[in-house]
Amino acid sequence: NAGVTQTPKFRILKIGQSMTLQCTQDMNHNYMYWYRQDPGMGLKLIYYSVGAGITDKGEVPNGYNVSRSTTEDFPLRLELAAPSQTSVYFCASSYTTGPGSYGYTFGSGTRLTVV
Amino acid sequence: GESVGLHLPTLSVQEGDNSIINCAYSNSASDYFIWYKQESGKGPQFIIDIRSNMDKRQGQRVTVLLNKTVKHLSLQIAATQPGDSAVYFCAETLKAAGNKLTFGGGTRVLVKP
Repeated sequence: NAGVTQTPKFRILKIGQSMTLQCTQDMNHNYMYWYRQDPGMGLKLIYYSVGAGITDKGEVPNGYNVSRSTTEDFPLRLELAAPSQTSVYFCASSYTTGPGSYGYTFGSGTRLTVV
Repeated sequence: GESVGLHLPTLSVQEGDNSIINCAYSNSASDYFIWYKQESGKGPQFIIDIRSNMDKRQGQRVTVLLNKTVKHLSLQIAATQPGDSAVYFCAETLKAAGNKLTFGGGTRVLVKP
Protein backbone atom coordinates (compact mmCIF):
# COMPACT_ATOMS: atom_id res chain seq x y z
CA ASN A 1 0.00 0.00 0.00
CA ALA A 2 1.21 3.49 -0.82
CA GLY A 3 -0.57 5.18 2.12
CA VAL A 4 -1.07 8.91 1.53
CA THR A 5 0.46 10.27 -1.67
CA GLN A 6 0.94 13.98 -2.33
CA THR A 7 1.97 15.67 -5.55
CA PRO A 8 3.89 17.73 -6.38
CA LYS A 9 6.69 17.61 -3.80
CA PHE A 10 7.91 21.10 -4.64
CA ARG A 11 6.40 24.06 -6.45
CA ILE A 12 7.19 27.72 -7.00
CA LEU A 13 4.26 29.98 -7.85
CA LYS A 14 4.08 33.61 -8.81
CA ILE A 15 1.72 35.89 -6.91
CA GLY A 16 -1.80 35.57 -8.32
CA GLN A 17 -1.27 32.19 -9.95
CA SER A 18 -3.42 29.22 -9.06
CA MET A 19 -2.66 25.57 -8.49
CA THR A 20 -4.04 22.35 -7.10
CA LEU A 21 -2.21 20.21 -4.59
CA GLN A 22 -3.14 16.59 -5.09
CA CYS A 23 -3.69 14.06 -2.31
CA THR A 24 -4.78 10.47 -2.62
CA GLN A 25 -4.97 7.62 -0.12
CA ASP A 26 -5.46 3.90 -0.68
CA MET A 27 -6.42 2.86 2.85
CA ASN A 28 -10.15 3.47 2.47
CA HIS A 29 -10.02 6.06 5.24
CA ASN A 30 -13.15 8.11 5.51
CA TYR A 31 -11.53 11.18 7.09
CA MET A 32 -9.01 13.35 5.22
CA TYR A 33 -7.27 16.57 6.16
CA TRP A 34 -5.07 19.34 4.84
CA TYR A 35 -2.57 20.99 7.15
CA ARG A 36 0.03 23.67 6.58
CA GLN A 37 3.26 24.05 8.46
CA ASP A 38 5.13 27.32 8.67
CA PRO A 39 8.77 27.49 9.84
CA GLY A 40 9.14 26.76 13.54
CA MET A 41 5.48 25.95 13.99
CA GLY A 42 3.25 22.97 14.39
CA LEU A 43 0.75 22.01 11.74
CA LYS A 44 -2.43 24.04 11.36
CA LEU A 45 -5.62 22.61 9.89
CA ILE A 46 -6.85 24.19 6.65
CA TYR A 47 -9.79 21.97 5.65
CA TYR A 48 -11.02 18.51 6.43
CA SER A 49 -13.52 15.99 5.14
CA VAL A 50 -15.41 13.28 6.97
CA GLY A 51 -16.43 11.50 3.79
CA ALA A 52 -17.05 11.87 0.08
CA GLY A 53 -19.11 14.96 -0.65
CA ILE A 54 -18.56 16.49 2.80
CA THR A 55 -15.97 19.15 3.59
CA ASP A 56 -15.53 21.67 6.39
CA LYS A 57 -13.23 24.52 7.33
CA GLY A 58 -10.38 24.17 9.75
CA GLU A 59 -8.40 26.81 11.58
CA VAL A 60 -6.88 28.62 8.55
CA PRO A 61 -9.15 28.12 5.48
CA ASN A 62 -8.88 31.56 3.86
CA GLY A 63 -7.38 31.48 0.38
CA TYR A 64 -8.04 27.77 -0.12
CA ASN A 65 -10.76 25.50 -1.43
CA VAL A 66 -11.23 21.75 -1.36
CA SER A 67 -13.45 19.09 -2.84
CA ARG A 68 -14.04 15.43 -2.00
CA SER A 69 -15.71 13.65 -4.89
CA THR A 70 -14.28 10.24 -3.99
CA THR A 71 -13.10 8.52 -0.81
CA GLU A 72 -9.56 8.36 -2.17
CA ASP A 73 -8.91 11.92 -3.34
CA PHE A 74 -8.88 15.24 -1.51
CA PRO A 75 -7.32 18.02 -3.65
CA LEU A 76 -6.51 21.46 -2.22
CA ARG A 77 -6.94 24.45 -4.50
CA LEU A 78 -5.16 27.80 -4.25
CA GLU A 79 -6.92 30.32 -6.48
CA LEU A 80 -4.83 33.50 -6.10
CA ALA A 81 -1.49 32.62 -4.60
CA ALA A 82 -0.08 35.06 -2.04
CA PRO A 83 3.33 35.13 -0.32
CA SER A 84 1.59 34.30 2.96
CA GLN A 85 0.78 30.89 1.49
CA THR A 86 4.43 29.96 1.30
CA SER A 87 4.52 26.90 3.50
CA VAL A 88 4.79 23.13 3.61
CA TYR A 89 1.45 21.43 3.06
CA PHE A 90 0.61 18.03 4.49
CA CYS A 91 -2.31 15.85 3.62
CA ALA A 92 -3.45 13.20 6.10
CA SER A 93 -6.14 10.60 6.48
CA SER A 94 -7.62 8.67 9.38
CA TYR A 95 -10.28 6.17 10.25
CA THR A 96 -12.80 6.65 12.97
CA THR A 97 -13.11 3.24 14.50
CA GLY A 98 -10.67 0.76 15.92
CA PRO A 99 -7.99 0.86 18.57
CA GLY A 100 -4.76 2.73 18.73
CA SER A 101 -3.83 5.90 16.96
CA TYR A 102 -7.09 6.49 15.10
CA GLY A 103 -5.10 5.45 12.03
CA TYR A 104 -3.70 8.89 11.30
CA THR A 105 -1.34 8.76 8.31
CA PHE A 106 0.48 11.76 6.84
CA GLY A 107 1.79 12.29 3.36
CA SER A 108 5.34 13.44 2.77
CA GLY A 109 4.37 17.05 2.11
CA THR A 110 4.38 19.65 -0.66
CA ARG A 111 6.78 22.55 -0.26
CA LEU A 112 5.22 25.65 -1.86
CA THR A 113 6.94 28.96 -2.39
CA VAL A 114 5.03 32.00 -3.65
CA VAL A 115 7.19 34.79 -5.10
CA GLY B 1 16.56 23.10 3.34
CA GLU B 2 15.12 22.88 6.82
CA SER B 3 11.80 24.63 7.22
CA VAL B 4 10.74 23.01 10.46
CA GLY B 5 12.25 24.03 13.74
CA LEU B 6 13.89 27.36 12.91
CA HIS B 7 12.57 29.01 16.06
CA LEU B 8 11.83 26.01 18.22
CA PRO B 9 13.18 25.38 21.70
CA THR B 10 16.02 22.92 21.58
CA LEU B 11 16.87 20.08 23.90
CA SER B 12 20.46 18.89 23.66
CA VAL B 13 20.97 15.40 25.01
CA GLN B 14 24.01 13.20 25.34
CA GLU B 15 23.69 9.89 23.55
CA GLY B 16 22.54 7.28 26.03
CA ASP B 17 20.88 9.72 28.39
CA ASN B 18 17.13 10.00 28.87
CA SER B 19 15.17 12.83 27.23
CA ILE B 20 12.03 14.50 28.53
CA ILE B 21 9.95 16.68 26.23
CA ASN B 22 7.05 18.69 27.62
CA CYS B 23 3.89 20.02 26.04
CA ALA B 24 0.91 22.04 27.22
CA TYR B 25 -2.39 21.32 25.50
CA SER B 26 -5.34 23.65 25.18
CA ASN B 27 -8.66 21.82 25.24
CA SER B 28 -9.74 20.11 28.46
CA ALA B 29 -12.33 18.15 26.44
CA SER B 30 -9.74 16.49 24.19
CA ASP B 31 -9.98 12.74 24.47
CA TYR B 32 -6.85 11.60 22.73
CA PHE B 33 -3.25 12.77 22.64
CA ILE B 34 -0.45 11.85 20.30
CA TRP B 35 3.27 12.48 20.08
CA TYR B 36 4.80 12.86 16.65
CA LYS B 37 8.39 12.89 15.46
CA GLN B 38 9.26 14.95 12.42
CA GLU B 39 12.55 14.64 10.59
CA SER B 40 13.78 17.13 8.05
CA GLY B 41 11.76 17.08 4.84
CA LYS B 42 9.29 14.50 6.10
CA GLY B 43 5.78 14.39 7.45
CA PRO B 44 4.99 13.74 11.11
CA GLN B 45 5.60 10.17 12.22
CA PHE B 46 3.50 8.60 14.97
CA ILE B 47 5.43 7.73 18.14
CA ILE B 48 2.92 6.98 20.87
CA ASP B 49 -0.57 7.92 21.93
CA ILE B 50 -2.65 8.04 25.08
CA ARG B 51 -6.34 8.29 25.81
CA SER B 52 -7.67 10.86 28.23
CA ASN B 53 -8.75 8.19 30.73
CA MET B 54 -5.12 7.14 31.22
CA ASP B 55 -2.21 8.92 32.86
CA LYS B 56 0.69 6.85 31.58
CA ARG B 57 1.47 4.67 28.62
CA GLN B 58 4.69 2.94 27.69
CA GLY B 59 6.07 1.91 24.36
CA GLN B 60 9.45 0.78 23.15
CA ARG B 61 11.91 3.21 24.78
CA VAL B 62 9.18 5.85 25.04
CA THR B 63 6.72 6.76 27.77
CA VAL B 64 3.95 9.33 27.63
CA LEU B 65 2.58 10.94 30.78
CA LEU B 66 -0.69 12.85 30.88
CA ASN B 67 -1.65 15.29 33.62
CA LYS B 68 -5.17 16.47 32.92
CA THR B 69 -5.27 18.69 35.99
CA VAL B 70 -2.74 21.07 34.48
CA LYS B 71 -3.27 20.07 30.84
CA HIS B 72 0.28 18.82 30.48
CA LEU B 73 1.74 16.05 28.38
CA SER B 74 5.29 14.74 28.42
CA LEU B 75 7.31 12.33 26.33
CA GLN B 76 10.19 10.45 27.85
CA ILE B 77 12.74 8.80 25.59
CA ALA B 78 15.02 6.28 27.26
CA ALA B 79 18.64 5.83 26.18
CA THR B 80 18.45 8.52 23.51
CA GLN B 81 20.10 7.59 20.22
CA PRO B 82 21.38 9.70 17.31
CA GLY B 83 18.37 8.59 15.28
CA ASP B 84 16.13 10.31 17.82
CA SER B 85 17.35 13.72 16.65
CA ALA B 86 14.25 15.41 15.21
CA VAL B 87 11.49 17.85 16.04
CA TYR B 88 8.81 16.48 18.35
CA PHE B 89 5.22 17.69 18.44
CA CYS B 90 2.35 16.83 20.69
CA ALA B 91 -1.18 16.87 19.31
CA GLU B 92 -4.63 16.64 20.83
CA THR B 93 -7.89 15.59 19.26
CA LEU B 94 -11.53 15.12 20.02
CA LYS B 95 -12.95 12.18 18.15
CA ALA B 96 -16.50 13.54 18.22
CA ALA B 97 -15.29 16.72 16.49
CA GLY B 98 -14.01 15.11 13.32
CA ASN B 99 -10.81 13.71 14.76
CA LYS B 100 -8.99 16.92 13.85
CA LEU B 101 -5.51 17.29 15.29
CA THR B 102 -4.47 20.44 17.13
CA PHE B 103 -0.71 20.63 17.37
CA GLY B 104 1.26 22.13 20.20
CA GLY B 105 4.57 23.90 19.80
CA GLY B 106 7.42 21.63 18.86
CA THR B 107 10.74 20.86 20.50
CA ARG B 108 13.93 20.12 18.61
CA VAL B 109 15.99 17.31 20.10
CA LEU B 110 19.69 17.20 19.27
CA VAL B 111 21.56 14.10 20.33
CA LYS B 112 25.26 14.60 20.92
CA PRO B 113 27.54 11.61 20.33
